[in-house]
Amino acid sequence: DQQVKQNSPSLSVQEGRISILNCDYTNSMFDYFLWYKKYPAEGPTFLISISSIKDKNEDGRFTVFLNKSAKHLSLHIVPSQPGDSAVYFCAASPRRGTGTYKYIFGTGTRLKVLA
Amino acid sequence: EAGVTQFPSHSVIEKGQTVTLRCDPISGHDNLYWYRRVMGKEIKFLLHFVKESKQDESGMPNNRFLAERTGGTYSTLKVQPAELEDSGVYFCASSQGGGRTYTEAFFGQGTRLTVV
Repeated sequence: DQQVKQNSPSLSVQEGRISILNCDYTNSMFDYFLWYKKYPAEGPTFLISISSIKDKNEDGRFTVFLNKSAKHLSLHIVPSQPGDSAVYFCAASPRRGTGTYKYIFGTGTRLKVLA
Repeated sequence: EAGVTQFPSHSVIEKGQTVTLRCDPISGHDNLYWYRRVMGKEIKFLLHFVKESKQDESGMPNNRFLAERTGGTYSTLKVQPAELEDSGVYFCASSQGGGRTYTEAFFGQGTRLTVV
């Protein structure tokens, strides 16, 4: 059973426009969420995170929004650049105090930014 | 500062053989994780070490997989005997001690294992 879902396997966006990547989760025990970016033949690279006490976190061109009631988060990239073309993974981690900080990943969304 | 390093980058073995993957985490990181991505699907958790202790091994597929972390430094993941369905990319990640705050995990480049 997929606890973290990225329902869009791919997304194409024009350079300079906004990219919006979506992620849904089912487990209410998750309280820390992350986005990773992955280029071919490389490991995932941390991009941005958000804890469940917040509903928004910004870092430069990247903003993550969290809607806990809907169990939904999204990553906004503005403006999109060709170098942003990669696979983006959403990940969630269970409530602190459980003794483990493992991540549950989605299946990824391949973003292509067109020049 | 060196990142998470994994060896080898690629391995092709025959069914029934043994393979050992190695991970060197970022120096000072107590948490070490193994993950696997099969056939372009999600990245799945295998296990989590805190220093030399296994904190969570709920994701290990079966007893053909054995992970160790000697002295709380580098870690190895042995697959014996390997089966065709073990093919995939094995990622190692590390993070600082959890304490009261989360910190992100840093991933290695992965080891692509192909069992033929």
